[in-house]
Amino acid sequence: SQQGEEDPQALSIQEGENATMNCSYKTSINNLQWYRQNSGRGLVHLILIRSNEREKHSGRLRVTLDTSKKSSSLLITASRAADTASYFCATDTYGSSNTGKLIFGQGTTLQVKP
Amino acid sequence: DAGITQSPRHKVTETGTPVTLRCHQTENHRYMYWYRQDPGHGLRLIHYSYGVKDTDKGEVSDGYSVSRSKTEDFLLTLESATSSQTSVYFCAISVSPPGQGHGEQFFGPGTRLTVL
Repeated sequence: SQQGEEDPQALSIQEGENATMNCSYKTSINNLQWYRQNSGRGLVHLILIRSNEREKHSGRLRVTLDTSKKSSSLLITASRAADTASYFCATDTYGSSNTGKLIFGQGTTLQVKP
Repeated sequence: DAGITQSPRHKVTETGTPVTLRCHQTENHRYMYWYRQDPGHGLRLIHYSYGVKDTDKGEVSDGYSVSRSKTEDFLLTLESATSSQTSVYFCAISVSPPGQGHGEQFFGPGTRLTVL
């Protein structure tokens, strides 16, 4: 079963615009992570937010976490064509015996048009 | 890429044949994972390892086995490949700073497996 559900499944924007992706999950978490995957490549870690944090920034990325709603959002500001990729949220579920197992959402495919 | 390699990178095989995929890391991390990625399903955990000879099942372990005889190598075996196992397989390691619990995972480049 999928812990993370992402919305939208696909997003197309113009370069310079902001892109927002949302992730919802079902059970309590230790942390939530966002990854990027370029076509044909492995996943690259973007940012991790812990369950006791509400917002985190990294460069043009801003992640929020609302544990009461079991949801997170990833905002990419001033998007560039190079941001074109698939973005996945992943949760480290609370009580997973500290194994580090992640449960991934199905991803959002972002296209940034030059 | 945190020193993670996967081999082979591409493989085409026939139904019923055994297949072994290899994941190799150079940084002595304890935790390693095998995922498969399919359209519409994201990444799903097959098996993981938390040390030499210590492995456990993930979400979609049926039809797969793993072995870890050395810290640096984590092998995934399909004993008798089926067409439903056509997928892209990713290996990952968990970077766990002491006292901070599990953090990010680093992924290998993937193996594209086609079972005819």
